[in-house]
Amino acid sequence: LAKTTQPISMDSYEGQEVNITCSHNNIATNDYITWYQQFPSQGPRFIIQGYKTKVTNEVASLFIPADRKSSTLSLPRVSLSDTAVYYCLVVFFGNEKLTFGTGTRLTIIP
Amino acid sequence: NAGVMQNPRHLVRRRGQEARLRCSPMKGHSHVYWYRQLPEEGLKFMVYLQKENIIDESGMPKERFSAEFPKEGPSILRIQQVVRGDSAAYFCASSPRSTGDEQYFGPGTRLTVT
Repeated sequence: LAKTTQPISMDSYEGQEVNITCSHNNIATNDYITWYQQFPSQGPRFIIQGYKTKVTNEVASLFIPADRKSSTLSLPRVSLSDTAVYYCLVVFFGNEKLTFGTGTRLTIIP
Repeated sequence: NAGVMQNPRHLVRRRGQEARLRCSPMKGHSHVYWYRQLPEEGLKFMVYLQKENIIDESGMPKERFSAEFPKEGPSILRIQQVVRGDSAAYFCASSPRSTGDEQYFGPGTRLTVT
């Protein structure tokens, strides 16, 4: 059964680096792993997308090991405005199922 | 280039009434997705549509729920004979090509069933 698992919550102090991991089995061979950020009462917002190894953009990095059974979103030097829920989204092999992770509620402490 | 539009933003219905939620994808996007988010819970996939076709509706409840994405006009998520358990935020997203593309989300419609 396809499943995506994330830690329920994390706390971090301002200025630190935060790593959030998503575990996913049976991921589709040719499909990407995507991470989204959601603030209360808003729709999710795209952060980063990757297929393998490492991807970096202006706000985050994404690390994907060779077996692709997990991925780690890395937020450098977090600030209070990064307090939000973070979701990974994967597409599962065989049935193209779009499955959001359980979500990680990140709280940044001043 | 306007983002994904959803209306209404808030919808109140009495039990047994019908709810119609509309979604206009971003210009040039032919793929639409609907998700439901119950209070304090994560996003659950409902249905994936391309123009005039339902590609995957495996996340839709078998009864009372339907979706369409006509050749012209917005995508519609329709809930018949609403019950209190249907109260949730319904998000629409669109992408230019396939399920592997980045999805752009609308602001959501918050349905309250009284």
